[in-house]
Amino acid sequence: QSVLTQPPSVSAAPGQKVTISCSGSSSSIGNNYISWYQQVPGTAPKLLIYDNNKRPSGIPDRFSGSKAGTSATLGITGLQTGDEADYYCGTWESSLSVWVFGGGTKLTVL
Amino acid sequence: EVQLLESGGGLVQPGGSLRLSCAASGFTFSSYAMTWVRQAPGKGLEWVSAISGGGATYYTESVKGRFTISGDTSKNTLFLQMNSLRAADTAVYFCAKVLECGDNCYCLESWGQGTLVTVSS
Repeated sequence: QSVLTQPPSVSAAPGQKVTISCSGSSSSIGNNYISWYQQVPGTAPKLLIYDNNKRPSGIPDRFSGSKAGTSATLGITGLQTGDEADYYCGTWESSLSVWVFGGGTKLTVL
Repeated sequence: EVQLLESGGGLVQPGGSLRLSCAASGFTFSSYAMTWVRQAPGKGLEWVSAISGGGATYYTESVKGRFTISGDTSKNTLFLQMNSLRAADTAVYFCAKVLECGDNCYCLESWGQGTLVTVSS
């Protein structure tokens, strides 16, 4: 069981918007910085969002991140079939000196 | 361009050992923390271990006492020595470069393609 909780799956139509939630505790999300990763099956994960809401260069602004209290959210607008992947939230839980991931959310673009 | 290339995976019997390597290029290896993350077949990501630029090491509870992370700055290579392997350790193992994005802010900036470890008799 993951320290960070994500919905197992979400779906939406092409062109639509979807959000993926990541909930934790004050010691995980509440006091640390969330990052988000995209993993197309059979490939390595890729960093999408870091420092709660920042995008690395090359990541389109269709992807956004936010954090409020002990929850974080990944938003994807203008959905494309190429966005079908598994999405993971993660953070360094400084109080325990461990990295924790959410269980992952499978995005289906219908 | 950052490149991370894992090697050393394979089939090993329960109780056996294996050493994974991650050859790094495109950045100053000694200046960054590095980490290992694994993914069991059909499962999610699981953090395994990390090493800071200063050499401090961190482990998930299930591998403490069995796995050892280390780095060779002369070869720009990260290692994971895995002993007393169990079936539950079967996974693809990824190495990743850690980016420090601020005070107590970290993310896994770049990832290798992974190497498969199978523990089975």
